[in-house]
This record gives sequence, C-alpha cells and structure tokens, in this order.
Amino acid sequence: GQNIDQPTEMTATEGAIVQINCTYQTSGFNGLFWYQQHAGEAPTFLSYNVLDGLEEKGRFSSFLSRSKGYSYLLLKELQMKDSASYLCAVTDSNYQLIWGAGTKLIIKP
Amino acid sequence: IAGITQAPTSQILAAGRRMTLRCTQDMRHNAMYWYRQDLGLGLRLIHYSNTAGTTGKGEVPDGYSVSRANTDDFPLTLASAVPSQTSVYFCASSDSSLDRGLDGYTFGSGTRLTVV
Repeated sequence: GQNIDQPTEMTATEGAIVQINCTYQTSGFNGLFWYQQHAGEAPTFLSYNVLDGLEEKGRFSSFLSRSKGYSYLLLKELQMKDSASYLCAVTDSNYQLIWGAGTKLIIKP
Repeated sequence: IAGITQAPTSQILAAGRRMTLRCTQDMRHNAMYWYRQDLGLGLRLIHYSNTAGTTGKGEVPDGYSVSRANTDDFPLTLASAVPSQTSVYFCASSDSSLDRGLDGYTFGSGTRLTVV
C-alpha cells in the first residue's frame, strides 16, 4: 500500500531550528509537497521538491532524497506563529496526491 | 480576492438528511478536489474533477456525489448523512491535474460538518 510517515508531534523553542522528517512508500513518485496548516484553518502551500537536494525559501528549507524515500522540512529562527501542523504529501505515478497525517509543531517561548 | 469559497462554514445535520456543500473558485483552475480531514488521519480524497464535465472517485467516495457543470463550481452532496461523515471538508483546486508543482493546491477555508 501507499504510506506517508511523519512524527505526530514535535516541540521546539522560539529562535531555534527544527527539522520535520517525512518518509514515504508510494507507487511511483512525481513530486513531494509540504503544507502548513494552522489550527482551524486551511492548509497553505510551503514547498515542492521533485529533484534530489535542498530547496531554500527564506526561513524554510525542504530536502528530498528519492532513493531513500525521504524528505525533511527545516524551519530556522522559529517564531511563535510557526506553531502549526506541517503536512507532507507525495504525488504518485497516477498524479494522485497521498497525504501524511501531519506533524503538530509546538513552539515554546 | 482570488481563491476558493466554501459554504457553509459549519453545519449540524440530522442523520438521514441530504446536504450539499458548496465550493466555488475564481482562479479558472481546471482541477478541483474534495477532501475530508479527520483527527489523526491525513487528508483523504473523496472525489475529484480534472476538468469541467468530468469527475472521478477518490479514496473514500461512498456516500458522496459530485458534479462539475462548469469550471468554477464543484458541489459535494451527501445523499443521506451518517454520523461517520462528521468531519472537516476541504475543497481544493489546482491549475492542472498533472503539473501542480509551481503553486500546489489552493484550499478553501473548510466546512465543519457534524452529523447527529
């Protein structure tokens, strides 16, 4: 079957760095997304990786290793507003989007 | 402001009743999707439409139906609601069903549905 694994919850300190991991087993691969979802709100697009390597976008970076079925989202200089759930999603060979259950990130002062 | 509008925002529905969740986008996106989101589970695809006039079943289609008469609207109907359909429902759209890399999906603000 198809599967996306992410930690359920993580805690980090304001100003620090946190890495949220995502591993996947899917039938084919056509790209990996990271979304941010604040409580009670809709998911919003953060990043997209289709080739191996690191994509940097301000305080957020996303890494992909297709051979390992692995990605991470790196958040630097954490702010209280970064408290949210972070969703990993993979596009399979049929271009269907498979979603992980999300990682709830709690930022402490 | 371009985006997706969902209605209603929330609803309490008696079991057995029929309900249509509305979704309208003004971005002229070809593809539209309905997801449900339940605690501890990832977003699960109910139905999708790659272009106006076509629809397809997702991972959890039973008990739901959709139509896509035009590009902008993609309503989701629960023919006879059951308590297991209590969930948060998100409508989403993308410019293409195949190449969503640049901007990903745009999501509506969601409908919180409680079936009692």
